[in-house]
Amino acid sequence: DAGVIQSPRHEVTEMGQEVTLRCKPISGHNSLFWYRQTMMRGLELLIYFNNNVPIDDSGMPEDRFSAKMPNASFSTLKIQPSEPRDSAVYFCASSPSGSKYEQFFGPGTRLTVL
Amino acid sequence: QKEVEQNSGPLSVPEGAIASLNCTYSDRGSQSFFWYRQYSGKSPELIMFIYSNGDKEDGRFTAQLNKASQYVSLLIRDSQPSDSATYLCAVKPAGNQFYFGTGTSLTVIP
Repeated sequence: DAGVIQSPRHEVTEMGQEVTLRCKPISGHNSLFWYRQTMMRGLELLIYFNNNVPIDDSGMPEDRFSAKMPNASFSTLKIQPSEPRDSAVYFCASSPSGSKYEQFFGPGTRLTVL
Repeated sequence: QKEVEQNSGPLSVPEGAIASLNCTYSDRGSQSFFWYRQYSGKSPELIMFIYSNGDKEDGRFTAQLNKASQYVSLLIRDSQPSDSATYLCAVKPAGNQFYFGTGTSLTVIP
C-alpha cells in the first residue's frame, strides 16, 4: 500500500485566496483525521471522520475552514479566505476502527500564506 | 486541563546514555497508548504501542505503562544521534479518537 497520500506537498498563496488540501487514506481504514502543526501550538486535531461522517469538528478554528469526505478514499480541507496565521503544516492521518490501532500519517502539506 | 501532557524539553543526553520521556493523561478510560517519533520536516511515525500495565520492550526502546498513576513513559537505551527528534505521546480512549501531547524534543549529543 502507498500509505496516506496528500497533495499538494507545498502550497504558497496570498492572503484572501482559497486553499484546498487533499488526502487519500489507506484503503480499508475507517477513520480519517486532519491535523495542523505549528511550532507554537504543536499538533492540533482539526476534524475527525469515521466511515465518511464528521464525528468531531470542534478543532476547526473558524468558519473559514471546512472539510469534506465524499467517499472512503478521498477527503478535502478547504480554507476560504486564507490568512497568514493559517501558515502551518497540515497532516492527514488514517486508522482502522478499533482502540488498538494506531494512526498512519501522510507526508503533510506545508502551507504558506503571504 | 489537557488530555495528554508531556514535558516539552528540550531534553539532551550524551550518546550511549538512557533517554527517559514521560507522559501523563487525564482520561482513566484510556485503553491504548502510542509513542511517535517525528524528525524535523517529516511526519510522525509510530515506534511503540502499549495496552497493558507494565513494560514492553522492542530493541533499544521500552514503553512503560502505569494506569493507576495515568502515566506512560518511553526509555531509549544506548541513545544514538539518530534518535534526535521530537517524541509524541498519543492516548486512545475507547473508540477511534486520538489525543496527542505537545511532544518532547530530544537531542543526543555525540
